[in-house]
Amino acid sequence: AQTVTQSQPEMSVQEAETVTLSCTYDTSENNYYLFWYKQPPSRQMILVIRQEAYKQQNATENRFSVNFQKAAKSFSLKISDSQLGDTAMYFCAFMKLYRGGSNYKLTFGKGTLLTVNP
Amino acid sequence: NAGVTQTPKFRILKIGQSMTLQCTQDMNHNYMYWYRQDPGMGLKLIYYSVGAGITDKGEVPNGYNVSRSTTEDFPLRLELAAPSQTSVYFCASSYRTDTQYFGPGTRLTVL
Repeated sequence: AQTVTQSQPEMSVQEAETVTLSCTYDTSENNYYLFWYKQPPSRQMILVIRQEAYKQQNATENRFSVNFQKAAKSFSLKISDSQLGDTAMYFCAFMKLYRGGSNYKLTFGKGTLLTVNP
Repeated sequence: NAGVTQTPKFRILKIGQSMTLQCTQDMNHNYMYWYRQDPGMGLKLIYYSVGAGITDKGEVPNGYNVSRSTTEDFPLRLELAAPSQTSVYFCASSYRTDTQYFGPGTRLTVL
């Protein structure tokens, strides 16, 4: 079974600075996706970024980028130029890909609560 | 597009009562999911569906039932509510292996 570990329960950063959230995972699979989801106080789960394991290039989305180290099974999220609206719980998630393309579940870490201070 | 919508937003149940959580998506996604989120934890899969008429259990299915009669709707039924079912429930949908998109959640308390 897959497991996802987020070792930082809470983090804080000053507005406009850069912060990195850590995530490690354990799997014997070779084909999978990794995700970062953001959950602000509204509770809505919002996709931040996605990484396909077969791609060596790290995914980026505006101020958000990942450092994907497949051999080390590490998937960290970097937030540049932090904004007050980035304050949220951040979840790392793993999705196994089955032959034929079917998927069925996301495995989530416990989350990291990020607070951006003015 | 409204995306994934869930009703109700909040609900309080007494032990032993039953209820149905509604989920609708308008993105023509064939895959739909129900998750629960307990305090301080990530989401855990309850049930999922790969298309109308096809459902299967996830990690924590006990105490729940689902049906999928249309592509758009995926209701979750709680029979004989128990305090252990106090949680926030999220519905999600995706197009096959693509990203899952989540609804706003339903906060359920069982007293």
